[in-house]
Amino acid sequence: AQSVTQPDIHITVSEGASLELRCNYSYGATPYLFWYVQSPGQGLQLLLKYFSGDTLVQGIKGFEAEFKRSQSSFNLRKPSVHWSDAAEYFCAVGARIGGSQGNLIFGKGTKLSVKP
Amino acid sequence: KAGVTQTPRYLIKTRGQQVTLSCSPISGHRSVSWYQQTPGQGLQFLFEYFSETQRNKGNFPGRFSGRQFSNSRSEMNVSTLELGDSALYLCASSLVGPERGNTIYFGEGSWLTVV
Repeated sequence: AQSVTQPDIHITVSEGASLELRCNYSYGATPYLFWYVQSPGQGLQLLLKYFSGDTLVQGIKGFEAEFKRSQSSFNLRKPSVHWSDAAEYFCAVGARIGGSQGNLIFGKGTKLSVKP
Repeated sequence: KAGVTQTPRYLIKTRGQQVTLSCSPISGHRSVSWYQQTPGQGLQFLFEYFSETQRNKGNFPGRFSGRQFSNSRSEMNVSTLELGDSALYLCASSLVGPERGNTIYFGEGSWLTVV
């Protein structure tokens, strides 16, 4: 069965420091992968997505993610964190239906706190 | 253009009652999905509608149902509410549904509290 694991429940980084949020997926073929961010009391905003091609994906707000098939990982990175990045981050894989992307299967999320 | 709009944003219901939540997708989007978010279970897929037909369904009891109208607007209904139904219900829309390269956009959600 398809699944997503985000090993870190909560991460705290200092403002200006680099960030890497981990995501591992379980899937039998090339997955469709997503990172979403959720601020308190808000919905989900798409940061970036991977469908095929270049394994390094650029997203909004200065985020990037790298797809590594050998490690079944899709880690999210940002070189310099801003206080406004404090939020919860969700990695998701697109479940396949008939060979196409279906619903999203989410990880449990990683809550990011930013120290001044 | 306007994003995914969900109403109401907040509501409180009593056990045993039923509730209807509404979702207006982004203009031109024909696929609408619903997700439940709770602290314990995280984000779980409820169902997806496309062109007024339920195309995909998650693992939820029959008390959870939905429908989609000809203008792509969608409603979900939960009958005989239980305390465990307290959650943030998120609606998502996409252009044509499960196709390669398709991006799914989420609304801000409806917060349901069952007392």
